[in-house]
Amino acid sequence: KAGVTQTPRYLIKTRGQQVTLSCSPISGHRSVSWYQQTPGQGLQFLFEYFSETQRNKGNFPGRFSGRQFSNSRSEMNVSTLELGDSALYLCASSSGAGRETQYFGPGTRLLVL
Amino acid sequence: SQQGEEDPQALSIQEGENATMNCSYKTSINNLQWYRQNSGRGLVHLILIRSNEREKHSGRLRVTLDTSKKSSSLLITASRAADTASYFCATDEGNFNKFYFGSGTKLNVKP
Repeated sequence: KAGVTQTPRYLIKTRGQQVTLSCSPISGHRSVSWYQQTPGQGLQFLFEYFSETQRNKGNFPGRFSGRQFSNSRSEMNVSTLELGDSALYLCASSSGAGRETQYFGPGTRLLVL
Repeated sequence: SQQGEEDPQALSIQEGENATMNCSYKTSINNLQWYRQNSGRGLVHLILIRSNEREKHSGRLRVTLDTSKKSSSLLITASRAADTASYFCATDEGNFNKFYFGSGTKLNVKP
């Protein structure tokens, strides 16, 4: 099976812009989770989508949003970018049964200037 | 907030030696997982141990879990240069697929 794919792999934006990142889960997986990784805060949970519904949410401002399509592909959007949003954004997929192994994509590295 | 905290933050050993990393967490869990990350890339799942298990093995990896102490350890035996990476523990808080990652242990295995 093909692994989790994320696009784009690298992105440079300026403050105030918005950005959309995409994640395609492993075939058959219905859950997609998003994480932000920074040197200062480490890996932090953003949200999880299952069957097109947000099932779990982390403690991020409303500028961070996501959605999931019927084919389980997911997008996350960050509006009004801030310098502190520079990070590696990772998505992970799983079957969705809960409390199970997550399979991570390679990440999208976002730099906000 | 982070649920798991790894110790030590960094570890440097020679090839062939064993490496032990520890993880402590704060609340009750359903399972605990260990992941490896090579320099700024995605995470690779290593092993999952459920709250009713005390020890689990996978190849050169041995994981223990002590729920009374809210701690886990990952032992890599006969380490190799290719094991150089950051290692993270991840715990849930009873939520489906909502995981908290520790700050990680950066392991350097010198050839």
